[in-house]
Amino acid sequence: AQSVTQLDSHVSVSEGTPVLLRCNYSSSYSPSLFWYVQHPNKGLQLLLKYTSAATLVKGINGFEAEFKKSETSFHLTKPSAHMSDAAEYFCVVSDPEGGYQKVTFGIGTKLQVIP
Amino acid sequence: KAGVTQTPRYLIKTRGQQVTLSCSPISGHRSVSWYQQTPGQGLQFLFEYFSETQRNKGNFPGRFSGRQFSNSRSEMNVSTLELGDSALYLCASSLEVAGGPVSSYEQYFGPGTRLTVT
Repeated sequence: AQSVTQLDSHVSVSEGTPVLLRCNYSSSYSPSLFWYVQHPNKGLQLLLKYTSAATLVKGINGFEAEFKKSETSFHLTKPSAHMSDAAEYFCVVSDPEGGYQKVTFGIGTKLQVIP
Repeated sequence: KAGVTQTPRYLIKTRGQQVTLSCSPISGHRSVSWYQQTPGQGLQFLFEYFSETQRNKGNFPGRFSGRQFSNSRSEMNVSTLELGDSALYLCASSLEVAGGPVSSYEQYFGPGTRLTVT
């Protein structure tokens, strides 16, 4: 079975402080994992993806995520938040179920950045 | 390359009517997926098409249907609209590389069609 849990529906940080968005997953396979970002009234944009190579993945806009198999986690971090980071973030697990890509999105975490 | 385009961007319909939404994937992408996004349910997978065939389907009633054309453009149709169908409908395309790991394909999303049912 495939599932993804984003542990926080809302996260609020001050500009310039670190960001941590938490994601746990469940998969019967060795999954690929993604983080997407959605700014208000926009479509989703890929931030980064993990596909069984390096466990620390660097993405766009200074974001990175670490795959921890033992903890089934794929948390998203950024050292210093910027106002433009305010958006909704989605963690995604992807399996090769049935020979095709099966994708499940987390419920999303809304990031608020306080000036 | 042009991104994923969706038309129309905004739509207002009345209960009981039907609606057709269109999605043009990135050139060369043959996989197109549709999602429904609502504040209460988040992003829910509707269906996926590849080479004109529906390959995966989510848990939506039969009122939701789709198709894909030979040029990979896709349409989704919702018949007998209900108030609860009001949502942002997102389309995503992906490029599948022969021999590549199936689970690794990243999706490119369009801006969505905002459907309001009154």
